Amino acid sequence: KQEVTQIPAALSVPEGENLVLNCSFTDSAIYNLQWFRQDPGKGLTSLLLIQSSQREQTSGRLNASLDKSSGRSTLYIAASQPGDSATYLCAVSSNDYKLSFGAGTTVTVRA
Amino acid sequence: GAVVSQHPSWVICKSGTSVKIECRSLDFQATTMFWYRQFPKQSLMLMATSNEGSKATYEQGVEKDKFLINHASLTLSTLTVTSAHPEDSSFYICSARENWRTDTQYFGPGTRLTVL
Repeated sequence: KQEVTQIPAALSVPEGENLVLNCSFTDSAIYNLQWFRQDPGKGLTSLLLIQSSQREQTSGRLNASLDKSSGRSTLYIAASQPGDSATYLCAVSSNDYKLSFGAGTTVTVRA
Repeated sequence: GAVVSQHPSWVICKSGTSVKIECRSLDFQATTMFWYRQFPKQSLMLMATSNEGSKATYEQGVEKDKFLINHASLTLSTLTVTSAHPEDSSFYICSARENWRTDTQYFGPGTRLTVL
């Protein structure tokens, strides 16, 4: 069974600082990996999707890397803003397209 | 595009009653939809895979008689929590996968269920 771990569980930084969020998974036989954002009491917003054959994806201030062999992914958010405050979830997809989620990292960006 | 809606967004019910939650893909067809539940400060746990025109596939430990899933059309799946109890109180989120693109799920906004 796929186990997904996210470290740290919570993170508080001053505005402008770069954020580094970590995700690890136990089974490297994944189809893809996604990073989501979840605001309190809300659904999920997809941020980045990395296919298993890719090593990174970028969108604006966001960059996600994937090292499938070591079972790790890192989400970098550059120049953080208070609007980036949310919970960030990592999810890996198996070959049957089911998603296994980590518990998330709750980010607070202080103005 | 690729919008998924859920109804209701929140519901409060008495213990012993049944509650139905709808998940709709608004601008695409979805043969496959997924139902998740999320407890406070915890991650999403897949409950079941809903397939249009056939029986849902439940994850280990999920009671199929308690959580009834119906996927009667290519744009609608429903989850009915039968004889709800306080321990069923949770945030229920659905997702839908476009038929032509199997690698992406689009998530609904979630339904907050509180059982008194």
